[in-house]
Amino acid sequence: DAGITQSPRHKVTETGTPVTLRCHQTENHRYMYWYRQDPGHGLRLIHYSYGVKDTDKGEVSDGYSVSRSKTEDFLLTLESATSSQTSVYFCAISTGQGAYEQYFGPGTRLTVT
Amino acid sequence: QQPVQSPQAVILREGEDAVINCSSSKALYSVHWYRQKHGEAPVFLMILLKGGEQKGHEKISASFNEKKQQSSLYLTASQLSYSGTYFCGTLNTNAGKSTFGDGTTLTVKP
Repeated sequence: DAGITQSPRHKVTETGTPVTLRCHQTENHRYMYWYRQDPGHGLRLIHYSYGVKDTDKGEVSDGYSVSRSKTEDFLLTLESATSSQTSVYFCAISTGQGAYEQYFGPGTRLTVT
Repeated sequence: QQPVQSPQAVILREGEDAVINCSSSKALYSVHWYRQKHGEAPVFLMILLKGGEQKGHEKISASFNEKKQQSSLYLTASQLSYSGTYFCGTLNTNAGKSTFGDGTTLTVKP
């Protein structure tokens, strides 16, 4: 157990509303990631962080922003939710010490109506 | 660039072997493998680093061919618990950012 929690675990929201998902870790790992997973597809990187206030874009970052003000928390914000952002969102952490294997949180199922 | 996994799906009987392949069009720094069961999060299985170091699961093995930019995951004497979707993730540089394949669904039947 890598000590990763995500909140909320399930959310239904309406198109056009802002949504923030939270990822919390207890082990002070340097790297944190946000992925989305859609049916029949793999994990697509949205944004990642390599330290407090240090973030970078992934392959599907449009419509998403992130913040990391503390080592343990990484927030993902959908600025104005759209139906295409209905997905399962996974947070992951990595020690970042050369190997970069990742440990995933339980996921958040987001539905945008 | 997303790595390509093959096959997309495989069905086995208990005790049979399977090989899952992962190929990249770019030079690889490392490859890591995960298994995901339906409705759950991916779980780390194994990582292979450039230069040959291997870490991971005692009952599943893997290879990493740096020249061919490929990795293969070997599941021998499969058990029902091996069922799930297997993903490879690749890092092209020592920069922490990885890309995942679309997955291989493995079904093990009694």
